[in-house]
Amino acid sequence: GQNIDQPTEMTATEGAIVQINCTYQTSGFNGLFWYQQHAGEAPTFLSYNVLDGLEEKGRFSSFLSRSKGYSYLLLKELQMKDSASYLCALMDSNYQLIWGAGTKLIIKP
Amino acid sequence: DVKVTQSSRYLVKRTGEKVFLECVQDMDHENMFWYRQDPGLGLRLIYFSYDVKMKEKGDIPEGYSVSREKKERFSLILESASTNQTSMYLCASTSQEYTTDTQYFGPGTRLTVL
Repeated sequence: GQNIDQPTEMTATEGAIVQINCTYQTSGFNGLFWYQQHAGEAPTFLSYNVLDGLEEKGRFSSFLSRSKGYSYLLLKELQMKDSASYLCALMDSNYQLIWGAGTKLIIKP
Repeated sequence: DVKVTQSSRYLVKRTGEKVFLECVQDMDHENMFWYRQDPGLGLRLIYFSYDVKMKEKGDIPEGYSVSREKKERFSLILESASTNQTSMYLCASTSQEYTTDTQYFGPGTRLTVL
């Protein structure tokens, strides 16, 4: 079967760095997505990884290790507006997304 | 920019009512999806459609049906609403079947069934 795990909630300080982990088990893999969702709003796309390694996009980076079934989202120079839920989603062999429950990130001044 | 709109942001219905949730996208996308999102759970796929008049069941289709009469519009129907269908409903679209393209989401409809 397929399973995705990510922490329920994390707290970090404005200006700091935070890493949000996502682990998964799957029999078929077509990539891993990260989405950001502010409270009461729609998820918006952040990143997509299909090959091992780090993808950097401004203050946000995403890492994938397929052999370990592991990804992380790294947020640098945290700002108050980064307070949101971060959703990890696995694309399976049928190109369907399997979603984690999301990590609520709380940023404190 | 892709725009996905949903007919209502908030909706309150009574048990047993028939409920229609509408979703419209303006980017000529082939694929459209309906999810529900509940606290502590990931998004769960209810139904999806990869073409006009085509539909496929997702992981939790029970109690729901869908309609796709036009490419830009995908409707979710609750034939007889129940309290356990109180949830946030999210519509999404993407450009092609069997694609790794990102999904674009509408703003969501928060449905409360009393």
